[in-house]
Order: sequence, then C-alpha cells, then structure tokens
Amino acid sequence: QQPVQSPQAVILREGEDAVINCSSSKALYSVHWYRQKHGEAPVFLMILLKGGEQKGHDKISASFNEKKQQSSLYLTASQLSYSGTYFCGTDQTGANNLFFGTGTRLTVIP
Amino acid sequence: NAGVTQTPKFQVLKTGQSMTLQCAQDMNHEYMSWYRQDPGMGLRLIHYSVGAGITDQGEVPNGYNVSRSTTEDFPLRLLSAAPSQTSVYFCASGPYSNQPQHFGDGTRLSIL
Repeated sequence: QQPVQSPQAVILREGEDAVINCSSSKALYSVHWYRQKHGEAPVFLMILLKGGEQKGHDKISASFNEKKQQSSLYLTASQLSYSGTYFCGTDQTGANNLFFGTGTRLTVIP
Repeated sequence: NAGVTQTPKFQVLKTGQSMTLQCAQDMNHEYMSWYRQDPGMGLRLIHYSVGAGITDQGEVPNGYNVSRSTTEDFPLRLLSAAPSQTSVYFCASGPYSNQPQHFGDGTRLSIL
C-alpha cells in the first residue's frame, strides 16, 4: 500500500526545475506532500483531493491524476531552501491515515 | 505557539524495558497519530485516534499501545522494548480528514 516515489534523489543548481512523482496501486482519496529537512519534523506543503485538481504554493505546485492514481510535485526556479527530502502520503479512505513513500532527496547547490 | 510537543527528545532503553513516549497538542485537534521513521522506509503509521476515547491500529501496531483520555494527549507505550523498535517516532495532529497534519519534533529512541 506504500506509494512509489521517483526519483529517489536529485541534485539541482539554483534556478533549475524539478518534478517528483508519486504513484499508488490503490484508489486514492487524497495525496499529501511534506518536506523534511535533516533532523527535523516533516512540514506540510499541500493536499490534493480526488477530482484531479492542481494546487500551487509560491513556486511549488502539484497535480493529482485520479484515473492513474498519480501525483506530481513541481518545483520551479529552485532555491537553496528547497533542499530536503520530499514525501508523498496517500490517503485511501479520507480518514487521514497516510501511507508514505520512501522519499525523494532533493539537493540544491549554488 | 507550542503546536505538537513530544517528550523525551532522546531515549536509550535496554531490551525488555517499557516506556511511554508523550505527545501533547494545544490546537484542539480531533485527529492524532503516531508514526515511526526508519532509514529508507519513510514514515509508517503505528496507531491513530479520531477523538478522545477512540483509538485504532495503523500499519505497524505490534509492540505498541496507545490511549486517548483527553483531546490534548496521545501517549505511545512500548510494552517490552526490542532492538527492532529503534527508530525516530513522530506524533502528528490535525483538525479532521483532508486537513494538514502537524508533526512534533520527534523522539529518537535507541534500544540496546
């Protein structure tokens, strides 16, 4: 039931763009995205509900394809502060019980 | 601005010992949960609660107990610690379904 994230790791230079993908074999109610910096707690980024919506937050946006049970996180014009591990969490029932992927480690270098 | 508070931050136990990890939130959230995070495994749900007096098992509940006597507190008990329970434990809370969960800073637990 754990979603699959890709890529596992990516290195970017400041200003470059990245896409992180999250795929589930189960029907999903929603997809949650979090970012975690080393030694810290995960921090909420956004929630995508079924219905195929797309959301944006500053230069970070995401989409959710309900038919394919896939979500993608888009980071544009990356900044050093974007470095961290990104996790998608999938909710199959709407009860907020999340199954998390193994994460994508993003490193932004000057 | 306390949010979700976890204590202790670090703990070392011997195999067979028991202990309770504390979690408290001051946001009046109905939903609370416990996750463990192991290297390369992401976060896995241990137990969760949708309100005072209501708890249920998550993905990896074996070896752990929880209770929810108040809205604010959601302690996690290790009954008889095993080396396989060495992990970082995160408590999270949220208002209700499809809302963001707020995570505590974690408890780093080592079992020898």
